[in-house]
Amino acid sequence: EIVMTQSPATLSVSPGERATLSCRASQSISNNLAWYQQKPGQAPRLLMYGASTRATGFPARFSGSRSGTEFTLTISSLQSEDFAVYYCQQYNNWPTFGGGTKVEIK
Amino acid sequence: QLQLQESGPGLVKPSETLSLTCSVSGVSVSSSTYLWGWIRQPPGKGLEWIGTIYYATTTYYSPSFKSRVTISLDTSKNQFSLKLNSVTAADTAVYYCATQIRNTVFGVLIGGWFDPWGQGTLVTVSS
Repeated sequence: EIVMTQSPATLSVSPGERATLSCRASQSISNNLAWYQQKPGQAPRLLMYGASTRATGFPARFSGSRSGTEFTLTISSLQSEDFAVYYCQQYNNWPTFGGGTKVEIK
Repeated sequence: QLQLQESGPGLVKPSETLSLTCSVSGVSVSSSTYLWGWIRQPPGKGLEWIGTIYYATTTYYSPSFKSRVTISLDTSKNQFSLKLNSVTAADTAVYYCATQIRNTVFGVLIGGWFDPWGQGTLVTVSS
């Protein structure tokens, strides 16, 4: 099983600031990584796939990158609607999720 | 527009079987483009993939659930279902059904990302 480790567990950021979330895979997964955004009481929503391709409806302030087995989700200027929990998921093998990063208002 | 909706009992007794159905609209569950998956989220915790079905009868299950889970497809009703046996309080969770994109890795079919998801249904295991 491929283990996905997200950090930090909680990220406190002021509106307008930059947020950087990390997700590390226990082995190589190429670019087979997705990110999801989940708001309270809602189902997760696909944010990004292929490590860096934004899903429909998400603005350009969201970007994704990869360095080896380390993946980064960057939100360039946090808006109020971006405060949520973010999960990564690998699909290089049958899926596993990271534990999530909660982005909260500082 | 592809949409999914979970249904089933919200309360299940310990040792019994949890049964949920996902109704799909906007595409046939027989489509070879999509796979159909179940994911759960215990209260206050993260996401766990349970299993996936495609081509009507081919299933893949997480090792964590493999011994007690069955996922099946009902093409006549355009639905797919989840059965989880011998439940305990640890199985209390919000259960989501979701469409999984078809994806191949080195020529082997491996499910991809999940999109869209149903709204989720809370199942509580308690006597």
